[in-house]
Amino acid sequence: KAGVTQTPRYLIKTRGQQVTLSCSPISGHRSVSWYQQTPGQGLQFLFEYFSETQRNKGNFPGRFSGRQFSNSRSEMNVSTLELGDSALYLCASSEQRDRGIDTQYFGPGTRLTVL
Amino acid sequence: DQQVKQNSPSLSVQEGRISILNCDYTNSMFDYFLWYKKYPAEGPTFLISISSIKDKNEDGRFTVFLNKSAKHLSLHIVPSQPGDSAVYFCAASWGLYGQNFVFGPGTRLSVLP
Repeated sequence: KAGVTQTPRYLIKTRGQQVTLSCSPISGHRSVSWYQQTPGQGLQFLFEYFSETQRNKGNFPGRFSGRQFSNSRSEMNVSTLELGDSALYLCASSEQRDRGIDTQYFGPGTRLTVL
Repeated sequence: DQQVKQNSPSLSVQEGRISILNCDYTNSMFDYFLWYKKYPAEGPTFLISISSIKDKNEDGRFTVFLNKSAKHLSLHIVPSQPGDSAVYFCAASWGLYGQNFVFGPGTRLSVLP
């Protein structure tokens, strides 16, 4: 099976712009989660989508939003970019087959730089 | 408040010796724990997991131990190899389908030849 893919891999934007990142999960995986990783920080959970519905949300401002399509592909949008949004954005998918036991598989990430 | 803690930001170990990475958590609702390895410019890679009903899980050179009463888990790598040099993230999850993942800040492991 192909792994989780994310596009684009690298992105440079300026403050105030908006950006859309894309994630294609592993075939058959219905849950997609997004994380932000900044230097010195762990993986900060943004949100999780399952069957086109946002099921969980982390503590990020409303400028961060996402959606999931019927084929489980997901997009993440950040509006009004700030310098502090520069980070590696990781997408992870999981099968959600077994109750309480699930493993997330990560994509390579999108490196966003805000100038 | 960090729910998953990895108090050692870095660890150096000689090749062939044992690497022990530690993780502590505060939320008693966590019932599934995972370790991920991350190389620079790549996404994290799943390494090994353990359910809260077990206290040990082994996979080749990797063993994870869980002490529920102490809310502590550890990853043992024996023997350590230079290719193991990476950042290791501890993660914990809970929920009906384990969808609430919380990651620790990571520990950078350097295995010296």
